[in-house]
Amino acid sequence: ILNVEQSPQSLHVQEGDSTNFTCSFPSSNFYALHWYRWETAKSPEALFVMTLNGDEKKKGRISATLNTKEGYSYLYIKGSQPEDSATYLCASLTGGGNKLTFGTGTQLKVEL
Amino acid sequence: DGGITQSPKYLFRKEGQNVTLSCEQNLNHDAMYWYRQDPGQGLRLIYYSQIVNDFQKGDIAEGYSVSREKKESFPLTVTSAQKNPTAFYLCASSDRGPPSTDTQYFGPGTRLTVL
Repeated sequence: ILNVEQSPQSLHVQEGDSTNFTCSFPSSNFYALHWYRWETAKSPEALFVMTLNGDEKKKGRISATLNTKEGYSYLYIKGSQPEDSATYLCASLTGGGNKLTFGTGTQLKVEL
Repeated sequence: DGGITQSPKYLFRKEGQNVTLSCEQNLNHDAMYWYRQDPGQGLRLIYYSQIVNDFQKGDIAEGYSVSREKKESFPLTVTSAQKNPTAFYLCASSDRGPPSTDTQYFGPGTRLTVL
């Protein structure tokens, strides 16, 4: 994988459902993986920065895992709420690189 | 309130005119960045600056210019040489510049439309 790819592109779930989505990134020369949440009409907000293979991070009902050997990260949301509706972005930083490479995001819509 | 401000929120310009987008931060961050978002694409880096009076080109710097005369300010000029300037522009800052794992903090963005 040369670019950062996110799937699915969009997701509709019901309130209370648990959901997860994927970020794939180049595994060679990995340095860090960032997750952001971007609500409509607001600024992107940082969720996690992950660096170590096997890393797991948690913030309330949201958690993320990291596999640097195979180049993927999962973001999980437990018991989705309408306020979780947002676009979730991941971005990869490769060692020696001077920039984050962003995926196109997963747009989550949580319906009542 | 600490944060990043961008102005204006919406900007309209005629083709061929240069336009400057403002970005100010009061987080005392060393590094600042400009990104561009187009439909169906991830954020793409235009320019970044790791320290006052220094800046580096990102992936899509052609047709853009920046300055960093003060730590808190990083204005972006979209020149007439930029072929497709209509886009959403985001400014960000981080404590240290790359390569570091520091979180980037984003402003609310400016939507530029060139008529």
